[in-house]
Amino acid sequence: QQPVQSPQAVILREGEDAVINCSSSKALYSVHWYRQKHGEAPVFLMILLKGGEQKGHEKISASFNEKKQQSSLYLTASQLSYSGTYFCGTENNNNDMRFGAGTRLTVKP
Amino acid sequence: EPEVTQTPSHQVTQMGQEVILRCVPISNHLYFYWYRQILGQKVEFLVSFYNNEISEKSEIFDDQFSVERPDGSNFTLKIRSTKLEDSAMYFCASTSRRGQNEKLFFGSGTQLSVL
Repeated sequence: QQPVQSPQAVILREGEDAVINCSSSKALYSVHWYRQKHGEAPVFLMILLKGGEQKGHEKISASFNEKKQQSSLYLTASQLSYSGTYFCGTENNNNDMRFGAGTRLTVKP
Repeated sequence: EPEVTQTPSHQVTQMGQEVILRCVPISNHLYFYWYRQILGQKVEFLVSFYNNEISEKSEIFDDQFSVERPDGSNFTLKIRSTKLEDSAMYFCASTSRRGQNEKLFFGSGTQLSVL
C-alpha cells in the first residue's frame, strides 16, 4: 500500500537540479508531496490528480502519470532552503494517505 | 493559516503506563488522522477517523491503541500500555474532504519517549 520512493538520499550543490520519484503498485487517486525539516511536521507542497497533470510551485514542480502510477518531483536550481526530507503521499479509493519512506535532500553551498 | 494543535509537545512515560496524546484539528475539518514517525524513519499511517468512528486503521494500530473525539473539538490517541517501541513522534492531521484535492494539515507533533 505504501508508495516507493527513490532515491533514498540526494546531495546537491546550490543551483543544481534533482528529481525524486514515487511509484505505487495500486491505482492512484492522487499524489501529494510534502517536505519535512528536521524536527518539524511535514509541510504540504502540492497535490496532483489523475490525468497526467503537472504542477509547479516556484522552482519545484511535479508530474503524475496515472497509467504508470508514478509521480516525480522536480527541483530546479536548488536553494539551501530546499534541504529536508521529501515524502510522497498517495491515496486510492480504498485507503487513506500512505507515505513513502522519504528522500533526504541536502543542498550544500 | 489555520493550524492543527497538539499537546503536549513532549511526553516521557514509563513502559506499561497509559498515555493520551491530544490534538485539536482545524474547526471545519471532518477527517482526522494519526501518523507516527520513529526517529529518522518514514511517516507511518496509524488510523483515520470520520463521523465519530474509525474509518481505517493500519496493522500498527492494535488493541493497545484507541482514538476518541470526546467533545467535538479534541481528537485523542490513547496508548493503553506503552512499550519501548512506541517511542516516536506522533502527528495528528486533519482535512476537510478526503480524496478531494484537499491537503492534510499536520500538527507539530508529540514526541513520545517510553523508558
